[in-house]
Amino acid sequence: SQQGEEDPQALSIQEGENATMNCSYKTSINNLQWYRQNSGRGLVHLILIRSNEREKHSGRLRVTLDTSKKSSSLLITASRAADTASYFCATDALTSGSARQLTFGSGTQLTVLP
Amino acid sequence: GAGVSQTPSNKVTEKGKYVELRCDPISGHTALYWYRQSLGQGPEFLIYFQGTGAADDSGLPNDRFFAVRPEGSVSTLKIQRTERGDSAVYLCASSFTSLGAGELFFGEGSRLTVL
Repeated sequence: SQQGEEDPQALSIQEGENATMNCSYKTSINNLQWYRQNSGRGLVHLILIRSNEREKHSGRLRVTLDTSKKSSSLLITASRAADTASYFCATDALTSGSARQLTFGSGTQLTVLP
Repeated sequence: GAGVSQTPSNKVTEKGKYVELRCDPISGHTALYWYRQSLGQGPEFLIYFQGTGAADDSGLPNDRFFAVRPEGSVSTLKIQRTERGDSAVYLCASSFTSLGAGELFFGEGSRLTVL
């Protein structure tokens, strides 16, 4: 089962505009990560935010985390056509014992039009 | 190698056949993960290894699925008596350690099609 749910499922914007994607999750987490996946390729890690952090920046990426609402957002500023991809949030919650799972959401398909 | 390597990149098989998918993680990474991704969905956890042992196999859908990592490096995902519903992209990922937070490094995946 998938813990995270991204919203919207699909987003289409013009180059230069900002793109905002949201993620909601169900259980308490240690951290939340965002990944990007180009069509037919593997996933690439973008950014990680810990449960005690509220906001994090990396280049054109801004991630926020609200643990009280169990939600996160990913903002891509000044989007480019090359940002076209699927974006997934993933949560790291300790299961019983010492095992660790990274549970992914269903993704947002972002299309940036030139 | 420089990244996580998965072979084959594509596999077409017939229903009922046996399939093996291989993953070669980044050198030095102790944790290895298998995920399955269906079209339009996010990756779904299958199994995770810490070293040679399967630390969590709770995501394996049934006993037709099995994975090994005998020397703590390369892993093989084995699927017996394949069914059409097994068709998906099987993703492998590795990380330095499973303890605490950390990013996963993914391979390009093995696309399995069961006819």
